[in-house]
Amino acid sequence: GQQLNQSPQSMFIQEGEDVSMNCTSSSIFNTWLWYKQEPGEGPVLLIALYKAGELTSNGRLTAQFGITRKDSFLNISASIPSDVGIYFCAGRRFGNEKLTFGTGTRLTIIP
Amino acid sequence: EAGVAQSPRYKIIEKRQSVAFWCNPISGHATLYWYQQILGQGPKLLIQFQNNGVVDDSQLPKDRFSAERLKGVDSTLKIQPAKLEDSAVYLCASSPDRARTDTQYFGPGTRLTVL
Repeated sequence: GQQLNQSPQSMFIQEGEDVSMNCTSSSIFNTWLWYKQEPGEGPVLLIALYKAGELTSNGRLTAQFGITRKDSFLNISASIPSDVGIYFCAGRRFGNEKLTFGTGTRLTIIP
Repeated sequence: EAGVAQSPRYKIIEKRQSVAFWCNPISGHATLYWYQQILGQGPKLLIQFQNNGVVDDSQLPKDRFSAERLKGVDSTLKIQPAKLEDSAVYLCASSPDRARTDTQYFGPGTRLTVL
């Protein structure tokens, strides 16, 4: 089955740095979601986006719904140790209930 | 509010054996999902239930996988017989409303290793 392309695949950053990651698709989506997954746990929803061009924040996290409807972006400002994990994007097409997940971006914070 | 419960958390079996996973969704959630997450990949939907009816099982390998949600509450996913490529984390999620896919809440998953 299709998976959305996420980049980068992994990131190694220092505490306090800002983080940017993106998710792209060859298909148009009408909903974009960003999840975080920690070891041994299921994904937890961070931000949901429903409109092209929409910019939504959740604390230090900001996500954007690309205007082409084929991409989305997630930024984390001033990273802290608890930001460590794998970040997944997920999209839903119009008229289809199923979520398609990305390949994930693994974030590691170097002490 | 209690979250989605799954058991067992870990299972190791040999190929060609059978295995079953159990999921208890959040109380009152009508929609239940089973996902397969292979190491290094995102979750892939296997089957979606609305109450005790199947909404989507298009990606379920029906020759070896089966799932049921007889009373519209908890659910079991079975693999018989298991293959090496079935090694993965099996995630259960539930949602109060099938129209709002963004309201899915995931359980901790069952990690299956097939030897």
